[in-house]
Amino acid sequence: EVVLTQSPGTLSLSPGERATLSCGASQSVGGSYLAWFQQKPGQAPRLLIYGSSFRATGIPDRFSGSGSGTDFTLTISRLEPEDFAVYYCQLYDTSPQLTFGGGTRVDIK
Amino acid sequence: DVQLVESGGGLVQPGGSLRLSCEASGISLKNYWMHWVRQAPGKGLVWISRSNGDGTMRDYADSVRGRFTISRDNAKNTLFMQMNRLTDEDTAVYYCARGGNVLIQREANLLYWWGQGAPVTVSS
Repeated sequence: EVVLTQSPGTLSLSPGERATLSCGASQSVGGSYLAWFQQKPGQAPRLLIYGSSFRATGIPDRFSGSGSGTDFTLTISRLEPEDFAVYYCQLYDTSPQLTFGGGTRVDIK
Repeated sequence: DVQLVESGGGLVQPGGSLRLSCEASGISLKNYWMHWVRQAPGKGLVWISRSNGDGTMRDYADSVRGRFTISRDNAKNTLFMQMNRLTDEDTAVYYCARGGNVLIQREANLLYWWGQGAPVTVSS
């Protein structure tokens, strides 16, 4: 079973700053089956990125994803007030079990 | 627009049972993999189960296998989760989520759309 480790646990930044979130896999992820979700308090998660780097419908271009193998990154180029939330990575390969990372909280500094 | 609306959550005693429903609109459920994901208070997301389009393939996380059963009624466009022998560790918000089209195997586990969640509390 692949384990996803997200870092840092919490990121404290100011609006307008750049956020870089990491997701590490315990084994190589073939086919870039890596997605990123955003979750705000009291809300359901929302799909941001799939296939490691493709933005989901309606996601602003300040969000970008990159990486392959065991190391993946979500970058928010300039933080907007509505971007302060918790972010999860997820492996969605063809395994009958899905895996999420533990999450990174992006807080207002 | 796709909408997934969960219902059936609530307070239940340890050892009890509960049945969650997830009604879909804007899509034909039979064409999609469907999943249940839960989130304990203050914790992260944990996948618990999935079902293919016609319900013939069903997978479970170890933590719920043998106690929880996923099913669907495609005629009513509704997904279910029957939860038995509940413990306090099952206390969580339960989300249903739409996976990929059944014809695209590589996207079966990509969770495109999520419901708003159904809270379940197991307590005496």
